[in-house]
Amino acid sequence: DTAVSQTPKYLVTQMGNDKSIKCEQNLGHDTMYWYKQDSKKFLKIMFSYNNKELIINETVPNRFSPKSPDKAHLNLHINSLELGDSAVYFCASSHRQGGTNYGYTFGSGTRLTVV
Amino acid sequence: GQSLEQPSEVTAVEGAIVQINCTYQTSGFYGLSWYQQHDGGAPTFLSYNALDGLEETGRFSSFLSRSDSYGYLLLQELQMKDSASYFCAVSHYGQNFVFGPGTRLSVLP
Repeated sequence: DTAVSQTPKYLVTQMGNDKSIKCEQNLGHDTMYWYKQDSKKFLKIMFSYNNKELIINETVPNRFSPKSPDKAHLNLHINSLELGDSAVYFCASSHRQGGTNYGYTFGSGTRLTVV
Repeated sequence: GQSLEQPSEVTAVEGAIVQINCTYQTSGFYGLSWYQQHDGGAPTFLSYNALDGLEETGRFSSFLSRSDSYGYLLLQELQMKDSASYFCAVSHYGQNFVFGPGTRLSVLP
């Protein structure tokens, strides 16, 4: 019954590796996001998809590539992981009513540690 | 660009009332939202204000003044479980939310 589910919850990997984080929502929302939360708890948007179309692509290294196979799924693939990629990554979804986004439902987060 | 300011920490005792302020500078402002995040958890939605004024939801209320680019979250009858980080976030052109740096609230017995 989880509304927005992310896997894995924890990910420990070595520098240089490639990893993926998966996200699925069962709320029927049309927009999904990836946010990065750093060690100081600052939440910064990375990407946003609306009905499988990329609408926001913030200044993020091109080692990060989102993929949305359908509007219920948004995955994040990271190539050549670096120490600075260590953070908590949150997936979120929302529904736009009348063109306005009123708020997010977040997934439980993926804590990525690069060693 | 966008910028939001919140106090970094607030401390209060159980049963008290606390107000967490948020000031913002942004283009394309649609509304102000508040989120609660417990340590190790995900942010959870608390409120959204698009119009000026106070909105009340149980023990929590949220206020917005668009002319002052200012809002606040008011928590009443504080409980220990309210100890968490609270984030204000502005709706940017109605598309996505830009988050403030967060305020860590500690509720003491």
